[in-house]
Amino acid sequence: EAGVAQSPRYKIIEKRQSVAFWCNPISGHATLYWYQQILGQGPKLLIQFQNNGVVDDSQLPKDRFSAERLKGVDSTLKIQPAKLEDSAVYLCASSQTGDQDSPLHFGNGTRLTVT
Amino acid sequence: RKEVEQDPGPFNVPEGATVAFNCTYSNSASQSFFWYRQDCRKEPKLLMSVYSSGNEDGRFTAQLNRASQYISLLIRDSKLSDSATYLCVLNTGGFKTIFGAGTRLFVKA
Repeated sequence: EAGVAQSPRYKIIEKRQSVAFWCNPISGHATLYWYQQILGQGPKLLIQFQNNGVVDDSQLPKDRFSAERLKGVDSTLKIQPAKLEDSAVYLCASSQTGDQDSPLHFGNGTRLTVT
Repeated sequence: RKEVEQDPGPFNVPEGATVAFNCTYSNSASQSFFWYRQDCRKEPKLLMSVYSSGNEDGRFTAQLNRASQYISLLIRDSKLSDSATYLCVLNTGGFKTIFGAGTRLFVKA
C-alpha cells in the first residue's frame, strides 16, 4: 500500500512570503489531517477533513493559514504571509474512517524554515 | 492543565533494561488511546493501541487506568533501536485526536 505523500520535503522562505504544501493521502482514506510540529513538541492539529468537508479547524490561524481538500482526495495547506514562528514541520496524515479506532498514517512531512 | 501530559525525559537506559513511561490525560470522556513512536527527523508511526484490559506486543506492554486517567508503556529488554520519542495519543470521540509532547528515550550500549 502506498503511503501518504507530501511535497516539498523542505522549504526555506523569508517572512511575509507565501508558501504552499501538498498532500496525497492513502487511497480510500476518508479523513485527512494537517499537523504542525514545532521542535521538541508533539504534533498540533491544524485542520481535519472528513472527505472534502472540514471537521475541525479550531486551531488553524485563519488570518494566515488556509487549507482545502479538492474532491475529497488531495489537499493543500497555504500560509500567507509567513511569520518566523511558523518554522516547523508540517505533517499530513490520513486515516481510513477517522473514527476513534482508526489509526493515523503520516507522511514524511515538510520542514519549513522562515527567515 | 494540558489535555495530555508526558514526562519529556530524556530517559537514558542501558541495553537490556526495562523502562516505563506514563501519560496522564484530563478528559475523562477520552475513548481510545495509542502509543506512537517518532524517530529523529521522521514522522510518527503507530506503535500500538492501548486496550482497557492491557495488551502486549513482543517486548512492549501497554496499560490503561481509567480511574486514575493514565496510560503506560513498558519496554522490556531495551534495544539500541528503541531509541526514539514515544508519543501518547488519545481520541476523545467526535473524531478528535490529541498528541502528547512525547517522551524521549535513549538506549545505550
